[in-house]
Amino acid sequence: DQQVKQNSPSLSVQEGRISILNCDYTNSMFDYFLWYKKYPAEGPTFLISISSIKDKNEDGRFTVFLNKSAKHLSLHIVPSQPGDSAVYFCAPDLSGNTPLVFGKGTRLSVIA
Amino acid sequence: NAGVMQNPRHLVRRRGQEARLRCSPMKGHSHVYWYRQLPEEGLKFMVYLQKENIIDESGMPKERFSAEFPKEGPSILRIQQVVRGDSAAYFCASSTTGIAQYFGPGTRLTVL
Repeated sequence: DQQVKQNSPSLSVQEGRISILNCDYTNSMFDYFLWYKKYPAEGPTFLISISSIKDKNEDGRFTVFLNKSAKHLSLHIVPSQPGDSAVYFCAPDLSGNTPLVFGKGTRLSVIA
Repeated sequence: NAGVMQNPRHLVRRRGQEARLRCSPMKGHSHVYWYRQLPEEGLKFMVYLQKENIIDESGMPKERFSAEFPKEGPSILRIQQVVRGDSAAYFCASSTTGIAQYFGPGTRLTVL
């Protein structure tokens, strides 16, 4: 019963180009959508979030787009940098202070 | 302002022994979550606690696992009579009344 799907296990992008990471979900009750970045042997780091009432949220090089009708969101990183190489997790939330539901992650490799 | 702290970072136990994992939330955070990550998987929610209360333990196995978050001191995840299948990375996260959860570095449990 995968509520969150990140269908691309891995992605390689040239430095300076755009990275687009995708996430699909099934539960229309999700209220917030969070993206986390994770380096090996470290805990996930919160990156950016978007409320379900918005369709776009931007923070520096990171922009998240939400398409509620398609139950789809994406994270855009531009320009991509080698330090962005990590596993990215999509994690929707039903409301504040509820457990997050994580996708399996997408491993991004930014090649110099 | 220290982040979420977890100890030990690595824990090795033989089958049948007990494992105790500790988590100190960020200062001012009263909500604690425990997640488990198996190899090549996303993080799976186990239990959500506030001070002295278990709010949601729907993701925690009914047997051998227990969690607490006492009035004073860190949150403890306790696994009794460990088996090889318990080998995983266990992450603790904390939050205030907001949306984002902030993760610790994790405890890697290896059961021999």
